[in-house]
Amino acid sequence: DAMVIQNPRYQVTQFGKPVTLSCSQTLNHNVMYWYQQKSSQAPKLLFHYYDKDFNNEADTPDNFQSRRPNTSFCFLDIRSPGLGDAAMYLCATSRDREAAEQFFGPGTRLTVL
Amino acid sequence: GQNIDQPTEMTATEGAIVQINCTYQTSGFNGLFWYQQHAGEAPTFLSYNVLDGLEEKGRFSSFLSRSKGYSYLLLKELQMKDSASYLCAVRDSNYQLIWGAGTKLIIKP
Repeated sequence: DAMVIQNPRYQVTQFGKPVTLSCSQTLNHNVMYWYQQKSSQAPKLLFHYYDKDFNNEADTPDNFQSRRPNTSFCFLDIRSPGLGDAAMYLCATSRDREAAEQFFGPGTRLTVL
Repeated sequence: GQNIDQPTEMTATEGAIVQINCTYQTSGFNGLFWYQQHAGEAPTFLSYNVLDGLEEKGRFSSFLSRSKGYSYLLLKELQMKDSASYLCAVRDSNYQLIWGAGTKLIIKP
């Protein structure tokens, strides 16, 4: 089945220790998104890629970086995680910017000790 | 600013009908979405409205009034598995999704 895959599902890191979250998709969609979602809050868009074109939200901290080496894969790097970065990180894809639906991966829950 | 408002929590009885409201103020409008999110899981797409009126899909229906900046999600014949958060999201003029914080729906037997 075509899908969006995120690894790992649960990630524990230490304060200040860099961590990378990964996302892959078999849908061949042009657009990939990274969201941060904290408990009982709306998903917050961090970045999105339209093909190789990178778009950074204005309020995304510099601590967060992203890479998309090819159509299928996208990575979220947190250079120095703080306690406030503990959250669910959701990867999503859409066929293009105008497509009606975004398809979400299962998410990676990040814990910062 | 841009904002999406929806109730924080609602309670309903199994087998009943519930309506979850959403009001929005955004820079432009390119469609309104409803997603379902079970606790600890990713959102899953429920519906999309871009024109005024009612869209029906099985037990779920979604309504849109662009002039009022208003939508609702109607869930019929409620089942226990419908206990989840329901997120309203509006796509703005830049085709970015503006998300509400979600309405937690609690279904009681």
